[in-house]
Amino acid sequence: QKEVEQNSGPLSVPEGAIASLNCTYSDRVSQSFFWYRQYSGKSPELIMSIYSNGDKEDGRFTAQLNKASQYVSLLIRDSQPSDSATYLCAENIKAAGNKLTFGGGTRVLVKP
Amino acid sequence: GAVVSQHPSRVICKSGTSVKIECRSLDFQATTMFWYRQFPKQSLMLMATSNEGSKATYEQGVEKDKFLINHASLTLSTLTVTSAHPEDSSFYICSARQGESPLHFGNGTRLTVT
Repeated sequence: QKEVEQNSGPLSVPEGAIASLNCTYSDRVSQSFFWYRQYSGKSPELIMSIYSNGDKEDGRFTAQLNKASQYVSLLIRDSQPSDSATYLCAENIKAAGNKLTFGGGTRVLVKP
Repeated sequence: GAVVSQHPSRVICKSGTSVKIECRSLDFQATTMFWYRQFPKQSLMLMATSNEGSKATYEQGVEKDKFLINHASLTLSTLTVTSAHPEDSSFYICSARQGESPLHFGNGTRLTVT
């Protein structure tokens, strides 16, 4: 079983709708999680970090963490065509020297 | 804040030559730097982790003699692809972090070996 799992997509979302991305992880002691966005041919850029259970909002983005169920999600409200990208979920594994483990990414397509 | 500069952004070299890629953290001290490789339409693949002043830790299947990593200071790490071959053509991305802070990526280097 992969350590961080994401649905590869593509997740097709109409413009203005909410895109919901999910990520599950296997390391029960992981403390911190990150969402990155990667446009085709570019390097990933950090969207959000989340460290405790519950929701964290930043603009149109909301990250949700549920440690008991071992999942972290990302909601994108009022999706725009410019949100079309691959979204990577990552967990920080402290025991592995603070190495980030990435999921395979979910490709999101926002259609005008 | 948290800017990571990677250079060059694009390089074309002939088979058998070596290529050096630089990664700098511009506004923070990077206790750890990571080097990734990404082939088209595939996910990031971690190649190695380097801590300042110590030898890099390579992931399984990555040849340490082919991909030389130097992390000489808290702001600079270099990756040298030695004796490059066409199959080494890829997108190489460095990243850096301070402690457990979020990881920040450089803009990547697209390597083409002819």
